[in-house]
Amino acid sequence: DAGITQSPRHKVTETGTPVTLRCHQTENHRYMYWYRQDPGHGLRLIHYSYGVKDTDKGEVSDGYSVSRSKTEDFLLTLESATSSQTSVYFCAISEEGSPSGITGELFFGEGSRLTVL
Amino acid sequence: GEDVEQSLFLSVREGDSSVINCTYTDSSSTYLYWYKQEPGAGLQLLTYIFSNMDMKQDQRLTVLLNKKDKHLSLRIADTQTGDSAIYFCAESTASGGSYIPTFGRGTSLIVHP
Repeated sequence: DAGITQSPRHKVTETGTPVTLRCHQTENHRYMYWYRQDPGHGLRLIHYSYGVKDTDKGEVSDGYSVSRSKTEDFLLTLESATSSQTSVYFCAISEEGSPSGITGELFFGEGSRLTVL
Repeated sequence: GEDVEQSLFLSVREGDSSVINCTYTDSSSTYLYWYKQEPGAGLQLLTYIFSNMDMKQDQRLTVLLNKKDKHLSLRIADTQTGDSAIYFCAESTASGGSYIPTFGRGTSLIVHP
């Protein structure tokens, strides 16, 4: 299994509070991603990173910010959580030219379930 | 953005074949993938096909690609209860040197004994 750790795994918070989710990898992969998974919507990309300090927006980036100060860590921040951000958040990593030879293969963490009351 | 569409549910009997279908809109898709998500877990790559291929077989899994119709299917032979999961279709296209997949909404496969 790819070495990806998400924390916290579960969090309940109140509307308007800041929340930070952490993704830590031990694979030294270049790309890191944050997705959210919601019933009926599948998996939607929030932000991704293609290197230290290099990030870009995905299709549902409003209300989220990210930071990557080290190769191994990718943080997702909700500055002021809203109920619409209740979701399961997945971190994923990938590396071009991976040993499997499959370009674009993503390895996923186990998810962080966030509930905003 | 580009879309990937798949039906939400499929129910089959154990031992039967399952066929999960997917359509996509990006004609420049390079790689097409099937990911599997078991309850409480993240997604794992099940299989993939390169866009210049029509078919790929891997043990009980058969992937068919109709590039003209932008249609991808995953056939699971002799479906087992352990195959119950959500199956995500995804496609990726080269963008600035990277291939970032776009996922469908996922098909929940329910296998009855």
